[in-house]
Amino acid sequence: DIQMTQSPSSLSASVGDRVTIACRASQSINTFLNWYQQKPGRAPKLLIYATSSLQSGVPSRFRGSGSGTDFTLTINSLQPEDFATYFCQQSYTTPRTFGQGTTVGVK
Amino acid sequence: EVQVVESGGGLVQPGGSLRLSCAASGFIFNTYWMSWVRQAPGKALEWVADIRQDGSETYYVDSVKARVTISRDNAKNTLYLQMNSLRVEDTAVYYCAREVWLGDRYYYMDVWGKGTTVTVSS
Repeated sequence: DIQMTQSPSSLSASVGDRVTIACRASQSINTFLNWYQQKPGRAPKLLIYATSSLQSGVPSRFRGSGSGTDFTLTINSLQPEDFATYFCQQSYTTPRTFGQGTTVGVK
Repeated sequence: EVQVVESGGGLVQPGGSLRLSCAASGFIFNTYWMSWVRQAPGKALEWVADIRQDGSETYYVDSVKARVTISRDNAKNTLYLQMNSLRVEDTAVYYCAREVWLGDRYYYMDVWGKGTTVTVSS
């Protein structure tokens, strides 16, 4: 199975900050990588697919990049509604594994 | 409105069985792959299984293989997850999600339900 490792597991930030979350795959997954946002008690929400394509309706302050084994989710100018947990997921092969999540909290 | 709504969760003893359902509406159900994803309390998301539009292909995570069956009834716009020989570690919120395939291996899950809770405990 492909292991997805996110770092950090949690971080504290302030509104207006630029936040960067890393996701590393245990083997190359080309650009078959998605990002989801989840708030407590809510279902996950798709943010970015195919590494860098923004899902419809998602603000442009969210940006994804990377290829191969190393990927990044960047949130420019963090907004109050962005405090949440973020998961990466590979779509290269089954099982379609997720990272362990990165929680963005209030500093 | 495009949506999926899960049901069927509950409390079950170890070794027991449960069938989850996911009712889809607002989109042409038989044109989409569908999946189940679970999340144990305080844990990460875990993809469980998915199924092709016509039900001819299914895939599972190893930890549920031989105990779980994903199926669908396109006439009823409903996805199912039959879970047998349940274990304490199967305790989780189970989400139903619509898959979108772009070609090659590009795919994502864009519509999620609110989830149904399965608790396995004696």
